[in-house]
Amino acid sequence: GESVGLHLPTLSVQEGDNSIINCAYSNSASDYFIWYKQESGKGPQFIIDIRSNMDKRQGQRVTVLLNKTVKHLSLQIAATQPGDSAVYFCAENISPSGTYKYIFGTGTRLKVLA
Amino acid sequence: EADIYQTPRYLVIGTGKKITLECSQTMGHDKMYWYQQDPGMELHLIHYSYGVNSTEKGDLSSESTVSRIRTEHFPLTLESARPSHTSQYLCASSESKAPATNEKLFFGSGTQLSVL
Repeated sequence: GESVGLHLPTLSVQEGDNSIINCAYSNSASDYFIWYKQESGKGPQFIIDIRSNMDKRQGQRVTVLLNKTVKHLSLQIAATQPGDSAVYFCAENISPSGTYKYIFGTGTRLKVLA
Repeated sequence: EADIYQTPRYLVIGTGKKITLECSQTMGHDKMYWYQQDPGMELHLIHYSYGVNSTEKGDLSSESTVSRIRTEHFPLTLESARPSHTSQYLCASSESKAPATNEKLFFGSGTQLSVL
């Protein structure tokens, strides 16, 4: 069923417009970041990743930007489609020493308006 | 589409019951994880495993336990369910060997647990 998501920030965009979803991460030592998309009733799906030695990476209709100075990550979706409606999470890897750990952000709900 | 499966999808159960949430993956991944997610909230790691006979506790304290007897199977057990355990439980796996810092997590569809 549908997650209530009462506490999720929501971004509403018109179909065809570009979407920008932002994420602030917590640890300046994080060296790997992932954006996930979670549709209602499903588990998170990988969208795109970026390492800390990059500031931009492009995929199909998606671009991730990394600003390490202000610890900020953004996901840009070009020509947003109804199928893009979902909750989007960023995740940072916080243990470059080798022990695997990810911290997930609270998520942003993207609503695509027809 | 990742081949990782969770059963049941939904479970409603009374307080005090013992439950096991199943998670299986057919990708041969060594690393597997359990996350807990409340509605509208972030994912919290509760257990993970680097391979057979390896289990570790995650960041969020949990009364659940896990086992990893086979590579493909990572069940989570609650000995005595309570209403505070009501949540969504997500299983994930990744293919990297040993601890690594650039690996993708593949998630199952989750089990929505409601304890009455």
